[in-house]
Order: sequence, then C-alpha cells, then structure tokens
Amino acid sequence: GQQLNQSPQSMFIQEGEDVSMNCTSSSIFNTWLWYKQDPGEGPVLLIALYKAGELTSNGRLTAQFGITRKDSFLNISASIPSDVGIYFCAGPLRDSGNTPLVFGKGTRLSVIA
Amino acid sequence: EPEVTQTPSHQVTQMGQEVILRCVPISNHLYFYWYRQILGQKVEFLVSFYNNEISEKSEIFDDQFSVERPDGSNFTLKIRSTKLEDSAMYFCASREGFSTDTQYFGPGTRLTVL
Repeated sequence: GQQLNQSPQSMFIQEGEDVSMNCTSSSIFNTWLWYKQDPGEGPVLLIALYKAGELTSNGRLTAQFGITRKDSFLNISASIPSDVGIYFCAGPLRDSGNTPLVFGKGTRLSVIA
Repeated sequence: EPEVTQTPSHQVTQMGQEVILRCVPISNHLYFYWYRQILGQKVEFLVSFYNNEISEKSEIFDDQFSVERPDGSNFTLKIRSTKLEDSAMYFCASREGFSTDTQYFGPGTRLTVL
C-alpha cells in the first residue's frame, strides 16, 4: 500500500530559527495534508494542498505540493515555543471514493527558548 | 468553528471488558472515520462509515470492533472484549463530502486496558 516517509524524524532548534521538513512517497498523491499533534491531543489540520506545484501559507507555515506529486514540504519560519509537537503528513490512500488517510510517522519538533 | 468532539477523554478498563467510545462529528459532514495511534507510533486507519454503513475496514478492525451511528449526531466505536494491545489513542474524524479529502480529527480517547 501507499507509504509516506517523513524526515527528519526529530529536530531540536533554537527559538526564532526556521524549520523545514519533508514527506515523500513512492506513489503519486493527489492531495497532501499537514497536521500537527500536541501531546495527548488529536491531529490538527494545518495546511491542505490539492494541486501539484501549489504553495500555500498559513501564518508562519508554508507548505508545497511537489511537482512530481510524490513529495511535499512544510516550512515554519521564526519558530516559537508553541510550535513544539509532532508534524504529520497525510494523504488519501486512493484517488477517489470514501478513502481513508495514510499518515507518515511524523517529525517531532522541539524548540529551545 | 465547528469541531469533532469525543468522549471520554480517557477510559481505563479491564481486559475482556466492553468499551464504547463516542464521537460527535462536524454536523454537516457525511463521512466518518475511526483511527488509532499506539503510543509513539503513527496514526492508523480502522474503519470508514458513510450512509449508515461501513465503507471500508482495515485488518485491525476485526470482529471485536463495531461502529454505529445511533442517531443524527453520534458515531460510536465499540470494542466487545478488550485486549491489552487495544491500549491506544482512538481518534474520530469526519469529512464534509466527496469533493474533498480533508478530514478533521477529534481530540481522541486514550484507552488503557489493564
């Protein structure tokens, strides 16, 4: 089945630094979703991407849908302590129908004040 | 902003007992899902539900699991006889309609089986 590979697995950064993480797949995705999960909470949708090459921002977050449709990137600018959490990429298992999402293993972000 | 809600936030049960996890999806959404996340691992699909019936289930969703939409707002996951390995976070998600793949997740129920 479809698998998503996220890197890095974890990162420690200083407050104020920019962050970049990515997600790759061996198969084409038509939608890329980025979620953030705080400890003990559910995934919260950050950005949804629907078109190859699309670049979308949400505040300090920017995500891109790779032109090959096999990858996506999430960047966080000027990180702050509340950016701490696990960032997951996800995509639909199939192109159509009532398809579940498949998730990557996540990138754990720690921000040092 | 509308959101998915789940109750209880934490459930502790003895092995072999039945548990029911409850969810209220976003009101105008048509597709509903259950996922689980074992501690430290990724989110895994369990079951999808549409038009009052199961659309798809994963290999995790065996005969011990069932789902129900008993009324117009609630969506439940029942585990008939819990096992130790059922301990996990269980997330409900909903999706508005066919035209979007975006799913919105609830805060989860942490199930601990002793």
